[in-house]
Amino acid sequence: AQSVSQHNHHVILSEAASLELGCNYSYGGTVNLFWYVQYPGQHLQLLLKYFSGDPLVKGIKGFEAEFIKSKFSFNLRKPSVQWSDTAEYFCAVSSYGGSQGNLIFGKGTKLSVKP
Amino acid sequence: GAVVSQHPSRVICKSGTSVKIECRSLDFQATTMFWYRQFPKQSLMLMATSNEGSKATYEQGVEKDKFLINHASLTLSTLTVTSAHPEDSSFYICSARETGGSGYTFGSGTRLTVV
Repeated sequence: AQSVSQHNHHVILSEAASLELGCNYSYGGTVNLFWYVQYPGQHLQLLLKYFSGDPLVKGIKGFEAEFIKSKFSFNLRKPSVQWSDTAEYFCAVSSYGGSQGNLIFGKGTKLSVKP
Repeated sequence: GAVVSQHPSRVICKSGTSVKIECRSLDFQATTMFWYRQFPKQSLMLMATSNEGSKATYEQGVEKDKFLINHASLTLSTLTVTSAHPEDSSFYICSARETGGSGYTFGSGTRLTVV
């Protein structure tokens, strides 16, 4: 069965620090990969997604993620975080290559950015 | 961009009663919608995949007679929690995938409390 693992439950950073959130998945076939963000009291929003092509994907708000197929990883990065990045971040995988497949989510990583 | 409206955002009901949650795609058609449940400090767990005009596909362990899903049109899916119990208290989130599209748009979620 597919699974998604996010290594950090809670990350605390100071403003301007660099961020990397780990995400590994288990599935041997073609995958679509996503990072979602949930700000306090708000719904899930898509940060970025990878379907094919350049494994380095750039998303909104300065976030990027790199798909490393050999490591089954899709880590999220941001060079310099802001207080407004405080939120919960979810990595998700879809294994149906663009068809109606559902998303499998990781448990999420709570990011707290200290001003 | 694509918007999914989910109502109600918060509901409190008595044990034994039923609650209906609506999920509407506002500016696109969604052949497929997904229903998730999120427990505190845990990931989103897929409950079922809702297909317009056909029966929903439930994940293992989800009682289809308790969580009734109806997807009567291309823009509306409903989840009815029947004979609710306190253990059904949770955060329920829907998502919709635009017909022919590749992205997922999430509703804002419904906090259900059964007393």
